Amino acid sequence: AQSVSQHNHHVILSEAASLELGCNYSYGGTVNLFWYVQYPGQHLQLLLKYFSGDPLVKGIKGFEAEFIKSKFSFNLRKPSVQWSDTAEYFCAVNGAMNNNAGNMLTFGGGTRLMVKP
Amino acid sequence: NAGVMQNPRHLVRRRGQEARLRCSPMKGHSHVYWYRQLPEEGLKFMVYLQKENIIDESGMPKERFSAEFPKEGPSILRIQQVVRGDSAAYFCASSPDRPPAAPLHFGNGTRLTVT
Repeated sequence: AQSVSQHNHHVILSEAASLELGCNYSYGGTVNLFWYVQYPGQHLQLLLKYFSGDPLVKGIKGFEAEFIKSKFSFNLRKPSVQWSDTAEYFCAVNGAMNNNAGNMLTFGGGTRLMVKP
Repeated sequence: NAGVMQNPRHLVRRRGQEARLRCSPMKGHSHVYWYRQLPEEGLKFMVYLQKENIIDESGMPKERFSAEFPKEGPSILRIQQVVRGDSAAYFCASSPDRPPAAPLHFGNGTRLTVT
């Protein structure tokens, strides 16, 4: 079974601070990795995804994430946060060969980010 | 180009009543997934359906919960005899007919409150 851990449940930053949200997963095979964001009152939106290739993935709104296979990690980063980045962030994983379950994603518990203006 | 549509947005039910949550996937998507988000927790997979078929229901409680995705119309998540512990946000997601790596598109969710 696959699982995802997000160690920081709540993060508070001031504008222009740098952000790094941790994500670790456990899965015995090749994985696809995702970060989703949920702004207050809205649905989940895909920030970025990793399937293969360059382990440093660029996403929307200046976010990036680095896949470190040896550490089973896929941390999300942004050099300088804005007030509008206040949201909940979810890391997710699915097995790349998990054909029977299609796109069944396993999500982490989420990290609530509050950016103070 | 409508996204995934869920209704109602908010649903209040008394204990023992039935809750029916509806989800219309994005146009051209035939894979539907239901997730539940309990307060202060992440999203938990419940069920994966394609048209007229349940593919994986490993995350569904064995009793009171059922899901369908008929040939015509939206996908329905049905909860019978609701209890307070069913209070949560229920999210539907869809994806097109592509390999497993296709990302999911989520709806705005239905927030169920059981009083």
